[in-house]
Amino acid sequence: AQKITQTQPGMFVQEKEAVTLDCTYDTSDQSYGLFWYKQPSSGEMIFLIYQGSYDEQNATEGRYSLNFQKARKSANLVISASQLGDSAMYFCAMIPHNTDKLIFGTGTRLQVFP
Amino acid sequence: NAGVTQTPKFQVLKTGQSMTLQCAQDMNHEYMSWYRQDPGMGLRLIHYSVGAGITDQGEVPNGYNVSRSTTEDFPLRLLSAAPSQTSVYFCASSYSGQGANNSPLHFGNGTRLTVT
Repeated sequence: AQKITQTQPGMFVQEKEAVTLDCTYDTSDQSYGLFWYKQPSSGEMIFLIYQGSYDEQNATEGRYSLNFQKARKSANLVISASQLGDSAMYFCAMIPHNTDKLIFGTGTRLQVFP
Repeated sequence: NAGVTQTPKFQVLKTGQSMTLQCAQDMNHEYMSWYRQDPGMGLRLIHYSVGAGITDQGEVPNGYNVSRSTTEDFPLRLLSAAPSQTSVYFCASSYSGQGANNSPLHFGNGTRLTVT
């Protein structure tokens, strides 16, 4: 079965420090895409970063980077230089090849403190 | 651009009532979908559509109907609301679903539905 697992229900990080949010996935497909979304307390879902399974380099978008380890089936999100505004729920998601069904993990709540 | 617009933002229903959650996008996206978000369960796909006239079931379709008569609109219908359908509902769209794995979803702001 295709599944996304986020084992950290909550994480704390001090402002300006880096933090890693874990995500592992389960699929037998060779081609798939991985996404991270942010959901602030206001409730909207914000796209952060995408990694394709055939991408040779880890994706980066500003302070966000995706630590993609295909053999381990992990796609951890790294946030560098955390800011108070990074406090939110973070969801990892996967779309297997030739499907239209984006599968989400249960999320990690990140709290950044001064 | 308005992006993805969902209405209403809040709704309270009594068990057995019906209603339609509206979703419209102005980005000419082919792919549209509905998710529900429940505490501790993340987002689960209810129904999706890859284009006008085409719909398919997601992970939790029971109790919900959809139709896609235009590219812009993708309403979600609850025919007979049940307390188990109390949730936050998100509509989302993307340029292309199938085969375009790098097309991120654009989400609406959600509808918080309570069924008593």
